[in-house]
Amino acid sequence: DAGITQSPRHKVTETGTPVTLRCHQTENHRYMYWYRQDPGHGLRLIHYSYGVKDTDKGEVSDGYSVSRSKTEDFLLTLESATSSQTSVYFCAISKSGTGLEETQYFGPGTRLLVL
Amino acid sequence: AQTVTQSQPEMSVQEAETVTLSCTYDTSESDYYLFWYKQPPSRQMILVIRQEAYKQQNATENRFSVNFQKAAKSFSLKISDSQLGDAAMYFCAYRADQGAQKLVFGQGTRLTINP
Repeated sequence: DAGITQSPRHKVTETGTPVTLRCHQTENHRYMYWYRQDPGHGLRLIHYSYGVKDTDKGEVSDGYSVSRSKTEDFLLTLESATSSQTSVYFCAISKSGTGLEETQYFGPGTRLLVL
Repeated sequence: AQTVTQSQPEMSVQEAETVTLSCTYDTSESDYYLFWYKQPPSRQMILVIRQEAYKQQNATENRFSVNFQKAAKSFSLKISDSQLGDAAMYFCAYRADQGAQKLVFGQGTRLTINP
């Protein structure tokens, strides 16, 4: 299994509070991704990073920010959590953005409930 | 923008029989990659099989095989000799050849195995 951990694994918070989710990898992979999973939508990309301090938006980035100060850590922040951000959040990693055989490997997920 | 559609929200099959899960996608690209991921109740996303669009030969991994029809933009997954451990959500995903390797997922198909 790819060395990816997410913390916390479960979190309950209140509307309006800031929340930070952490993804940590031990693979030294260049690319890291944050997805959210909701019923009927599969997984949707929030933000991704292609190197330290290099990030870009995904399909559903509104209300989220990210930071990557070290290769191994990718943080997802909900500045002011809303009930619509209740979801399961997955981190993923890959070696590079191009290449014929590269595959994304996923962390175990974080279940977030915003009350 | 690319889209991926899984038209079967739920499927069921008898143990030891064969089942096929459907996936269609929309893209204007000629080079891309397609994936099937499995998500068991543990929520872990597990890569099942992948296909490069430039390869005419259908990918096979043990009991799992795909039927890739590029012109029809169809990418179905066949599971032979179904086992109880195959019960899971299955997601079809698309990835463009160029760029940051972002995955676009279908909505998922829940597969039940009947003993």
